[in-house]
Amino acid sequence: GAVVSQHPSWVICKSGTSVKIECRSLDFQATTMFWYRQFPKQSLMLMATSNEGSKATYEQGVEKDKFLINHASLTLSTLTVTSAHPEDSSFYICSARVGGGGPHGTSGYNEQFFGPGTRLTVL
Amino acid sequence: QKEVEQDPGPLSVPEGAIVSLNCTYSNSAFQYFMWYRQYSRKGPELLMYTYSSGNKEDGRFTAQVDKSSKYISLFIRDSQPSDSATYLCAMTLSGGSYIPTFGRGTSLIVHP
Repeated sequence: GAVVSQHPSWVICKSGTSVKIECRSLDFQATTMFWYRQFPKQSLMLMATSNEGSKATYEQGVEKDKFLINHASLTLSTLTVTSAHPEDSSFYICSARVGGGGPHGTSGYNEQFFGPGTRLTVL
Repeated sequence: QKEVEQDPGPLSVPEGAIVSLNCTYSNSAFQYFMWYRQYSRKGPELLMYTYSSGNKEDGRFTAQVDKSSKYISLFIRDSQPSDSATYLCAMTLSGGSYIPTFGRGTSLIVHP
């Protein structure tokens, strides 16, 4: 299957600093990338959807000025957590998808491929 | 009421048992139903998906969808310790951007 990487896998930072997380599709070109946040024993919560070369679409309640997303190429998206605070500590996961959102035929599903996640701890 | 409900567990079973994992949902417009497996500190990986109602089998895994009851299940036969993980159900609409809505996941522990 397609491989998505994330870097770093974990990061600890001080309150007030900014942290950048990279998401790369290694063996395919991702038209669309997604950023999720997952708290312990909670579901994946979609933060934003980004398409290469255009501005990200943020989900309701997600501050776009705090969580900066840049989808600079078909294989790279970055999430920058600006002025991080302890409540931003979480597991951040990206995913990537080829092409548009529709299914392939009536029985196909356009799969998202997930990265391994980045654990952010803000002290 | 959340759109997708899933018991977080943990569910602990002995090796070789048949495991049943379930989700209920409220949006009757969901058409694609997926099951993801997530190991600790890793991203989810897609196990299988089903379109609309019915059953789908893949090796030891069987997915069932009952749209009339808004209920989906994943069965694991002959469970192995390596199946120990969190299993997330997800579902998506048939139109639009097909971004899935996830359940919170069920933690499964298969002990030898």
